[in-house]
Amino acid sequence: DVKVTQSSRYLVKRTGEKVFLECVQDMDHENMFWYRQDPGLGLRLIYFSYDVKMKEKGDIPEGYSVSREKKERFSLILESASTNQTSMYLCASGRYEQYFGPGTRLTVT
Amino acid sequence: DAKTTQPPSMDCAEGRAANLPCNHSTISGNEYVYWYRQIHSQGPQYIIHGLKNNETNEMASLIITEDRKSSTLILPHATLRDTAVYYCIVLNYGGSQGNLIFGKGTKLSVKP
Repeated sequence: DVKVTQSSRYLVKRTGEKVFLECVQDMDHENMFWYRQDPGLGLRLIYFSYDVKMKEKGDIPEGYSVSREKKERFSLILESASTNQTSMYLCASGRYEQYFGPGTRLTVT
Repeated sequence: DAKTTQPPSMDCAEGRAANLPCNHSTISGNEYVYWYRQIHSQGPQYIIHGLKNNETNEMASLIITEDRKSSTLILPHATLRDTAVYYCIVLNYGGSQGNLIFGKGTKLSVKP
């Protein structure tokens, strides 16, 4: 069974904090993705990576950065969290058949 | 990638077949039709995909019309656990690293 795990299911952070969201996959996939999901807006792609140390901006990269130092791990970084980054964050790996993690519900207060 | 249109919601009785339509009238010859679903509070789950032939797997069947302008996802014996939002996505493999564009999908409610 493909497994994509995310470091936290729920997270509460304060405005201005640096936030790290970790994602690990066990299927040796080259491609990994970070999405956020908001009511009424659906899933939107933040960043993706198609190889170690490679990254590409998605549709809404502002306020985020990513890190892919190892093939199995893809991190999303909120440099200075803001309240409009309160959302559900979903990590996925694969390419066209993507396997998603359970999501991290982040609240920024 | 071509745009898709799906009904916002559908109901289905438990044990009956659920037929979820998707319109993709601008699909081009090398674009695939993918279906995902998202059960409440979980990440999306891949279901099935196809190019022009009908496809079946353990989860569902995918029927694509001959002109490829529309498709139907069939869950043959819907259960309460199939209640979810179902997304139809059209993908062009060429030049794409797989970034999926999810629309609003169809919210399927399976009722006892």
